[in-house]
Amino acid sequence: DIQMTQSPSSLSASVGDRVTITCRASQAIRNDLAWYQQKPGKAPKRLIFGISSLQSGVPSRFSGSGSGTEFSLTISSLQPEDFATYYCLQHNDYPWTFGQGTKVEIK
Amino acid sequence: EVQLLESGGGLVQPGGSLRLSCAASGFTFPNYAMNWVRQAPGKGLEWVSLLSGGDGSTYYAGSVKGRFTTSRDNSKNTLYLEMSSLRADDTAVYYCAKGGRIAGTGIDYWGQGVHVTVSS
Repeated sequence: DIQMTQSPSSLSASVGDRVTITCRASQAIRNDLAWYQQKPGKAPKRLIFGISSLQSGVPSRFSGSGSGTEFSLTISSLQPEDFATYYCLQHNDYPWTFGQGTKVEIK
Repeated sequence: EVQLLESGGGLVQPGGSLRLSCAASGFTFPNYAMNWVRQAPGKGLEWVSLLSGGDGSTYYAGSVKGRFTTSRDNSKNTLYLEMSSLRADDTAVYYCAKGGRIAGTGIDYWGQGVHVTVSS
């Protein structure tokens, strides 16, 4: 199975901060990498697909980058509604696997 | 607008069975792969299964293989997850999630989830 190691597991940040979350895959996954945002009690919502393509309707402050085995999600200027948990997902090989999640909290 | 509505959750005893349903609308259901993803209380997301839209291929996580079966009724735009030999660690919110026209293209939309509790 492909392991997705996500870091950090949590972070505290202020409104306006630039935030970066990283996922490392245990083997190359081409561009089969997506990022999701989940708020408490809600279903996940896709932010980024294909490493760097922005889902329709998602603010442009969210961006994705990376290649091979190292990938990042960046929020350029954190907004109050961005406090949530974020997950990466590899869908290159079965079983698909998620990162452990990063909880973004208010400082 | 894509809508996915899960049902069938509840409390079941260890060793028991349960069938979840997911009613889909807003897209051409037969053409798309469909997934189940679960989330244990206070934990992260775990992909459970995929059923392709074309040839009906199925894929499962190792933790459920042989115990869970995913199927679909394209005439009813409904996805199912038949769960048997349930264990306490199957306790989770189960999400129905839409994939792409090609099975390997990830997950774009999610249902709101249904709770399954396995306990005596």
